[in-house]
Amino acid sequence: QIQLVQSGPELKKPGESLKISCKASGYTFTDYAMQWVKQAPGKGLQYMGWINTQTGKPTYADDFKERFVFSLETSASTAYLQINNLKNEDTATYFCARKGGSYWGQGVMVTVSS
Amino acid sequence: DIQMTQSPPVLSASVGDRVTLSCKASQNINKNLDWYQQKHGEAPKLLIYYTNNLQTGIPSRFSGSGSGTDYTLTISSLQPEDVATYYCYQYNSEMYTFGAGTKLELK
Repeated sequence: QIQLVQSGPELKKPGESLKISCKASGYTFTDYAMQWVKQAPGKGLQYMGWINTQTGKPTYADDFKERFVFSLETSASTAYLQINNLKNEDTATYFCARKGGSYWGQGVMVTVSS
Repeated sequence: DIQMTQSPPVLSASVGDRVTLSCKASQNINKNLDWYQQKHGEAPKLLIYYTNNLQTGIPSRFSGSGSGTDYTLTISSLQPEDVATYYCYQYNSEMYTFGAGTKLELK
């Protein structure tokens, strides 16, 4: 069956970096782009952008053009979200989702606190 | 970017009620709109795609409609398990956007 399995929760300090993984299984990884969505505590869904899994080209929403990097390890059917220079406002759950919306990862809770 | 405005922000209804949630786009999105349901602590679930297509496995009490800038999600007979937050999502432009959500509660 199709699954997106994300890495575990993270606790980081401001200024640090992190890299979240999203491992896909049950389908051909390069057939579908991968999207990333942020949800701050108690808030709604915020679209971060997507990465073309055939070319590796990322597209970022305006709020995520600085400090955020989407990448791939195609041989491992895995997409990554890297956040550099972490800020308190990056505290959120981050979801990966296969383009088309039918399949989502379970989400990764990221806490940024000094 | 296209802005999506959902109304109302919170809706209280009783079991068995017909419930209508609205989503308005800041420009024509050509029916390129999905609806998601999110329950507390869970990932969003796709309910309706391309305005009015029911995702596999979703109960038929859910339906979608609309065109241009105005879209609607209808639950024909509210059930207790429908308590959740509902988001519309447009993918007409290169940069996709979610609405702010409608929180559906039981009265």
